[in-house]
Amino acid sequence: QKEVEQNSGPLSVPEGAIASLNCTYSDRVSQSFFWYRQYSGKSPELIMSIYSNGDKEDGRFTAQLNKASQYVSLLIRDSQPSDSATYLCAVNIKDDMRFGAGTRLTVKP
Amino acid sequence: DAGVIQSPRHEVTEMGQEVTLRCKPISGHNSLFWYRQTMMRGLELLIYFNNNVPIDDSGMPEDRFSAKMPNASFSTLKIQPSEPRDSAVYFCASTIDRRGTQYFGPGTRLLVL
Repeated sequence: QKEVEQNSGPLSVPEGAIASLNCTYSDRVSQSFFWYRQYSGKSPELIMSIYSNGDKEDGRFTAQLNKASQYVSLLIRDSQPSDSATYLCAVNIKDDMRFGAGTRLTVKP
Repeated sequence: DAGVIQSPRHEVTEMGQEVTLRCKPISGHNSLFWYRQTMMRGLELLIYFNNNVPIDDSGMPEDRFSAKMPNASFSTLKIQPSEPRDSAVYFCASTIDRRGTQYFGPGTRLLVL
């Protein structure tokens, strides 16, 4: 099992819809979880971090964490074409940051 | 702050040549990371430093790769000799705390012919 797993996609949603991105991780004691966005040809940039079970909202973005299920997700409401990018899930595992392979999201006008 | 600075932004070289990638982390950040990204393998951690000391280099592919951090504001990743399979984008990232948010540089696109 990979340490951090994501569905590689591509995930395609229409403009205005909710995009749901999922991530599972292997280490039960992980405490820090991050979502990065990477546009084609650019470097990853942080969207959200989450440390406690439950939901964390920031504008159109909501991160959800369920440590019992070892699952973290990112919801993007009112998706825009400018949200089209690859979304990387990152988890602290044994004091190291491990990235998932990323999910490519396309928002169609 | 200027953010993480990497140079060169693009590098094209021939197989067998030495390649040196450079990184200047954000001032005040204590941890520095080198990653390699390819379509096939995604984002891979090569090595990271904490307070200029290499902590984990288990991701370094082989002895052809070496990294140094002589001071808090500069790090290098060297490939000698380079091979076509080393072609990738190499990112440097820094963070205040190695468990915290990582800030990535713009990356170096390396093509080895």
